[in-house]
Amino acid sequence: GENVEQHPSTLSVQEGDSAVIKCTYSDSASNYFPWYKQELGKGPQLIIDIRSNVGEKKDQRIAVTLNKTAKHFSLHITETQPEDSAVYFCAASRTGTASKLTFGTGTRLQVTL
Amino acid sequence: DAGVIQSPRHEVTEMGQEVTLRCKPISGHDYLFWYRQTMMRGLELLIYFNNNVPIDDSGMPEDRFSAKMPNASFSTLKIQPSEPRDSAVYFCASSLGGAANEKLFFGSGTQLSVL
Repeated sequence: GENVEQHPSTLSVQEGDSAVIKCTYSDSASNYFPWYKQELGKGPQLIIDIRSNVGEKKDQRIAVTLNKTAKHFSLHITETQPEDSAVYFCAASRTGTASKLTFGTGTRLQVTL
Repeated sequence: DAGVIQSPRHEVTEMGQEVTLRCKPISGHDYLFWYRQTMMRGLELLIYFNNNVPIDDSGMPEDRFSAKMPNASFSTLKIQPSEPRDSAVYFCASSLGGAANEKLFFGSGTQLSVL
């Protein structure tokens, strides 16, 4: 089955700096890669996703890049703010849908003032 | 819409007791998922339903776990008998489904502690 590895497990940045979280996947047939943000005491929330036919996608301060050859994808957050502090999960699916998502182990991002 | 609603938020029980977790998906969503979150294993898919029918239960750890969806607005996850290693946060999520509707909407979870 699919295996998704995520690094780093914790990340601390100063407000205004950029944060990068990286994930690798094992199944070359995976074609859908979402990112979820989980705030304390809440369930994960989708923040951005990308399909295998696209190399990069951007939404305001958040961007995701995908390298199919290397089987890795990354989340980039620019101009970080305290409200970006949360746990971020990457995931991969070969079905193109959310029905068989395999999640990474999560990255705890702390944005300090 | 109020989003996915789970109850209870917290459950503390003793080993051997039956535990029932409840979920109300977003109205109109065709898919319902049960996930378990632990520090060691992260987010694991236990089972998912499409139009109230269980599609894939390969993630259910043991026969002690069972899930039902009697109608489009209600699902339960039952553990009987419960064991300390079942302690985790259990999330319910729903989605519209289909290739263009992959977004999962998660509930706030049930924190289960089995003593």
